[in-house]
Amino acid sequence: AQSVAQPEDQVNVAEGNPLTVKCTYSVSGNPYLFWYVQYPNRGLQFLLKYITGDNLVKGSYGFEAEFNKSQTSFHLKKPSALVSDSALYFCAVRSDTGRRALTFGSGTRLQVQP
Amino acid sequence: NAGVTQTPKFQVLKTGQSMTLQCAQDMNHEYMSWYRQDPGMGLRLIHYSVGAGITDQGEVPNGYNVSRSTTEDFPLRLLSAAPSQTSVYFCASSYRRDREGFFGQGTRLTVV
Repeated sequence: AQSVAQPEDQVNVAEGNPLTVKCTYSVSGNPYLFWYVQYPNRGLQFLLKYITGDNLVKGSYGFEAEFNKSQTSFHLKKPSALVSDSALYFCAVRSDTGRRALTFGSGTRLQVQP
Repeated sequence: NAGVTQTPKFQVLKTGQSMTLQCAQDMNHEYMSWYRQDPGMGLRLIHYSVGAGITDQGEVPNGYNVSRSTTEDFPLRLLSAAPSQTSVYFCASSYRRDREGFFGQGTRLTVV
């Protein structure tokens, strides 16, 4: 079975400060990890992914994520938050051998204060 | 390219009614999935398909049926709607395991 945990329902950060949204996962086999963002009344938009290679991956809108195999984590980061980054963020996983549908975490709401 | 298209965008059903949520993609993706999104619970997998003629259950399949007769279409059928099925439904498709999923804009369903 595969699963994703996002331990924080909400993260609050001031504009200009760095942000981190946490994600840990569990899969059989090697993980393929994804981050998505959802703005109000919209579908999910892809931000970035880790498949293999460099543990630090860069994605859209200045976001990056660090894969840590020993801690089974894939935390989303951004050096300087913008008010427009306020949204709902989802971490998702599938493996190279298990079920081929994505499994999502429960989501983390990011609130960036001016 | 239209991407992933879901219809309708909004629907109100009475308890016991049936309906079909439509999902179509024009990217020739093999993988398609249906999720429901409820507050605080993220996206939960209802059913998925890895190609035409192949479907499988996700975590919350009860009360829903799917079929995949073509690569492009993956409709979700509610057999007898219940208030517990009030949710936002998303359809997604992807090319293969290591590729990101593309999502439709969602269907907001209310069962009264």
